[in-house]
Amino acid sequence: KQEVTQIPAALSVPEGENLVLNCSFTDSAIYNLQWFRQDPGKGLTSLLLIQSSQREQTSGRLNASLDKSSGRSTLYIAASQPGDSATYLCAVRSGGSYIPTFGRGTSLIVHP
Amino acid sequence: GAVVSQHPSWVICKSGTSVKIECRSLDFQATTMFWYRQFPKQSLMLMATSNEGSKATYEQGVEKDKFLINHASLTLSTLTVTSAHPEDSSFYICSATGLESTDTQYFGPGTRLTVL
Repeated sequence: KQEVTQIPAALSVPEGENLVLNCSFTDSAIYNLQWFRQDPGKGLTSLLLIQSSQREQTSGRLNASLDKSSGRSTLYIAASQPGDSATYLCAVRSGGSYIPTFGRGTSLIVHP
Repeated sequence: GAVVSQHPSWVICKSGTSVKIECRSLDFQATTMFWYRQFPKQSLMLMATSNEGSKATYEQGVEKDKFLINHASLTLSTLTVTSAHPEDSSFYICSATGLESTDTQYFGPGTRLTVL
């Protein structure tokens, strides 16, 4: 059974810092991995989707990397802004299943 | 594109009543819809998977008679919480995958249910 862990659970940084959010998974036979953003009381917004054959994906100030062999993914946020404050969820879809397993998320606060 | 809506966005009801939550894919046909439940500071837990025109597949531990799911068309799925109790209070989120690709799930904005 796939298990997904996100560290840290919470993070508070001043505006402008570059930061890294971590996601680890137990079963390396994955189909893809996806990073989501969730604002309080809201649904999920997809940020980046990395297929199992890819090593990284980039969108604006966001960069996600994937290392299947070590069971890890990182989400790098450059030059953080207060608007980046949200919970970031990592979801791993294992091979043979179309249902992703979610981590508990990292709650990020970027203060001015 | 690929927008999923939910209605209502929040609902408060008395214990013992039933509540229906709608999930719609607005600009694509959803072959499969998923219903999740999320408790505060917890991850999303899959409740059930539904395919249009067939019975939903429930995850272990989810009472199918309590959480009724109907997927009557390629753009609409409903979740009915029957005889709701305070412990059913939670954030319910649906997602959908389209005909073109099952790689990506598109999520709705969620429904906050509070049972008094």
